[in-house]
Amino acid sequence: NAGVTQTPKFQVLKTGQSMTLQCAQDMNHEYMSWYRQDPGMGLRLIHYSVGAGITDQGEVPNGYNVSRSTTEDFPLRLLSAAPSQTSVYFCASSFSQTYEQYFGPGTRLTVT
Amino acid sequence: GESVGLHLPTLSVQEGDNSIINCAYSNSASDYFIWYKQESGKGPQFIIDIRSNMDKRQGQRVTVLLNKTVKHLSLQIAATQPGDSAVYFCAEMDSILTGGGNKLTFGTGTQLKVEL
Repeated sequence: NAGVTQTPKFQVLKTGQSMTLQCAQDMNHEYMSWYRQDPGMGLRLIHYSVGAGITDQGEVPNGYNVSRSTTEDFPLRLLSAAPSQTSVYFCASSFSQTYEQYFGPGTRLTVT
Repeated sequence: GESVGLHLPTLSVQEGDNSIINCAYSNSASDYFIWYKQESGKGPQFIIDIRSNMDKRQGQRVTVLLNKTVKHLSLQIAATQPGDSAVYFCAEMDSILTGGGNKLTFGTGTQLKVEL
């Protein structure tokens, strides 16, 4: 199993540009989540999904969209990038009956 | 402990010593807690978890202690090794409120440095 994979690993955007961060898992996990990690602030939940076709907002959803058309994939879209979205983004997945989340390697995003 | 600033609290220990990392959580309704380890440039990795009906749980070289009275969690690492150097996060969840496996609230982390 590859586990949780994320692409790209690094990305630089200009203010106002849009892009999609990709996340995939091959463990047949129902739950998938997106977090952002900023210095001194820990991980904050952006959006999550409890299964294909079902998504919900987390703590900091503004400026981001998600969709879950398949069990495996959970892309995160930045609609109009802002410097405040400069961060490291982690995708995670877990089985429905356990809370142990498996994290991807992260995407480091810089918005100038 | 937890940090409210930009700099993580740091715990430095000698190789072979025991390490104790502390975490104060905020929600008295939280009933599930996890410790994660994050090495530089990598995603967080699950270490150990504990439910609120327990006050202690042991894994391989790690022990988690839970004190619900003072809302305090600690992670003990026995015989600390250089490979233990990382940032350690605690996370809490009110499983009844969230009803699922996603709404963990993470602490800001503690940097563990192992000196040879």
